[in-house]
Amino acid sequence: GAGVSQSPSNKVTEKGKDVELRCDPISGHTALYWYRQRLGQGLEFLIYFQGNSAPDKSGLPSDRFSAERTGESVSTLTIQRTQQEDSAVYLCASSYLFEHNEQFFGPGTRLTVL
Amino acid sequence: AQTVTQSQPEMSVQEAETVTLSCTYDTSENNYYLFWYKQPPSRQMILVIRQEAYKQQNATENRFSVNFQKAAKSFSLKISDSQLGDTAMYFCAFMTPNTGNQFYFGTGTSLTVIP
Repeated sequence: GAGVSQSPSNKVTEKGKDVELRCDPISGHTALYWYRQRLGQGLEFLIYFQGNSAPDKSGLPSDRFSAERTGESVSTLTIQRTQQEDSAVYLCASSYLFEHNEQFFGPGTRLTVL
Repeated sequence: AQTVTQSQPEMSVQEAETVTLSCTYDTSENNYYLFWYKQPPSRQMILVIRQEAYKQQNATENRFSVNFQKAAKSFSLKISDSQLGDTAMYFCAFMTPNTGNQFYFGTGTSLTVIP
């Protein structure tokens, strides 16, 4: 009965480097969400997957951010040429197809860009 | 556009007392869902309670209940008999199927339960 897992739990990188953040949703969950949470702030929606497709990419902050999902399972959020303002906790959540079901969140990846 | 506002950045309550966290939202949609999530220091977000907009009856989950005022677009969370484990950030969230199942979160209220 594993929940949503994310890796790494912490990532420190230098400005300008690329990073990949991974999310393993709960098996059978068709919907997958990525959020960004800056220190002391709420959740900022980034992207949402229904199956392997992302009907809404409007939340991605810039073209340096991209995400993909394969096999209706694992998702990867990639940030290219990281900037200091990218420092935040990146949270992943998954849920069943129907909108009224709750989102189950992972523990997040804390990204620090030096 | 959908917005969620939590006007209380920080609150505290004595153990065993009752506290109410406020949340207002703005939407032109008629079909939507409201949620309260809890985020303890461990960072793990946990669903506390959920309310469907079409239901007039306020949702209740043990010590947690909501006061849902649809006309006022208000969705407050009441925690009764507060416990030390209730110390956490609480986020109010809104979702409508008409915006691609996107969730909108408030900025959160930090609740501290004082022994």
